[in-house]
Amino acid sequence: GENVEQHPSTLSVQEGDSAVIKCTYSDSASNYFPWYKQELGKRPQLIIDIRSNVGEKKDQRIAVTLNKTAKHFSLHITETQPEDSAVYFCASRWGYGQNFVFGPGTRLSVLP
Amino acid sequence: DVKVTQSSRYLVKRTGEKVFLECVQDMDHENMFWYRQDPGLGLRLIYFSYDVKMKEKGDIPEGYSVSREKKERFSLILESASTNQTSMYLCASSLRGPETQYFGPGTRLLVL
Repeated sequence: GENVEQHPSTLSVQEGDSAVIKCTYSDSASNYFPWYKQELGKRPQLIIDIRSNVGEKKDQRIAVTLNKTAKHFSLHITETQPEDSAVYFCASRWGYGQNFVFGPGTRLSVLP
Repeated sequence: DVKVTQSSRYLVKRTGEKVFLECVQDMDHENMFWYRQDPGLGLRLIYFSYDVKMKEKGDIPEGYSVSREKKERFSLILESASTNQTSMYLCASSLRGPETQYFGPGTRLLVL
């Protein structure tokens, strides 16, 4: 089955700097990669996703890149703000079923 | 706006008790999921359902069962609760296919 690794587990950046979180997956059949943000005490919410036929996707300060050959995808947050502080989870959907596998999460702290 | 609700935010049970966790979504979503969230392990899929009365095992189904008698409701059952089932349980739903998953607020279960 699919295995998803996520690095780093914790990340601290100064406000205004960029943050990058990287995930690797094992199954080349994986075709959909969402990113979720979970603020303290709240439910995870989708912030951006990418499908396997696309190499990059942007939404304002957030971007995701996908390297299918290397089997990794990354979340990029530019001009970080304190409200970006949260735990971020990557996920991978393998095959054509509904089985999503999540990474262990990255705790991002944006320091003022 | 999609709404996914869970029957309890906090639950305390004793070892050996039968536990029911309920999830309800109001957007006519086909797919529903149950995850457990543990520190350092991210979200792990317990079971999912892609239609009424249909269910599929996720990565960690042992010790759990599910029921989906109506489209809007997906129940997670712990037949005989054990202390290692102390965790945060998150329900999610999605319309179909590799679509956005919407999460419920979570149920924090403590098994004594």
